[in-house]
Amino acid sequence: GENVEQHPSTLSVQEGDSAVIKCTYSDSASNYFPWYKQELGKGPQLIIDIRSNVGEKKDQRIAVTLNKTAKHFSLHITETQPEDSAVYFCAARNNNNDMRFGAGTRLTVKP
Amino acid sequence: SQTIHQWPATLVQPVGSPLSLECTVEGTSNPNLYWYRQAAGRGLQLLFYSVGIGQISSEVPQNLSASRPQDRQFILSSKKLLLSDSGFYLCAWSSPPSAVFGPGTRLTVL
Repeated sequence: GENVEQHPSTLSVQEGDSAVIKCTYSDSASNYFPWYKQELGKGPQLIIDIRSNVGEKKDQRIAVTLNKTAKHFSLHITETQPEDSAVYFCAARNNNNDMRFGAGTRLTVKP
Repeated sequence: SQTIHQWPATLVQPVGSPLSLECTVEGTSNPNLYWYRQAAGRGLQLLFYSVGIGQISSEVPQNLSASRPQDRQFILSSKKLLLSDSGFYLCAWSSPPSAVFGPGTRLTVL
C-alpha cells in the first residue's frame, strides 16, 4: 500500500518568511495530492491540492509542486502570517481511491 | 453538499468502560471511510478503513474495532477502554476529489 512521509515534523519561521513542507510517497499509481490545515481542536481542512498531470499550482500565498518522477511534492507558503500557524498534512490518493496521510508538520509563525 | 458528522464531540470515560463513536456522511455514496486517532501534539494514525458495507481493514492491532453497518455510517468501538486510548478521533472519507474530515471527537480516558 501507499506510504507517505512528511518533513519536517515541526517548523518555526518568522512572520513574513517562507515555509516549505515536503512529502514523499511510495505508490507510483497515486494521482491526487491534497494538503490539509488543522487548527487547534478542529478537523483538518483542505487548503490546496494538485493532480498528477500538473507540476505546480498556486493559490495566493500558497503553492504546491509535484515531481512525479521522484515521487515527492511540497507545500510552499510565502509571506507567512501568525494565522498560518497550524498543523499541516499532506496526502496521496491512488486509483483505488485509497488516501494516505503524512504524519503532519506543526508550523509556528512568530510575530 | 458533502458533509460529515461525528458524535459525540467530547467524551470522558473511565478505564474499562465501553466506547462507541459514530460517524455519518451525507452527499456521497459508497465512500471509502477512515478512522484516525491523533494523540496530543502528534500526527494522524490510521486505525481502520472501509471500502464498503461490512468491509473493514485494520491498520494497527489494538483493543478498538470498527463496523460499517450502512453505506454512510462508520462506527468505532471498544469493549474496554485503556488509558492509552485517549486522543482526538477523526472520521474521514475519501471520495473524489479529496478527503473530508469530520469535526472530531476528543476522548479522555481516566
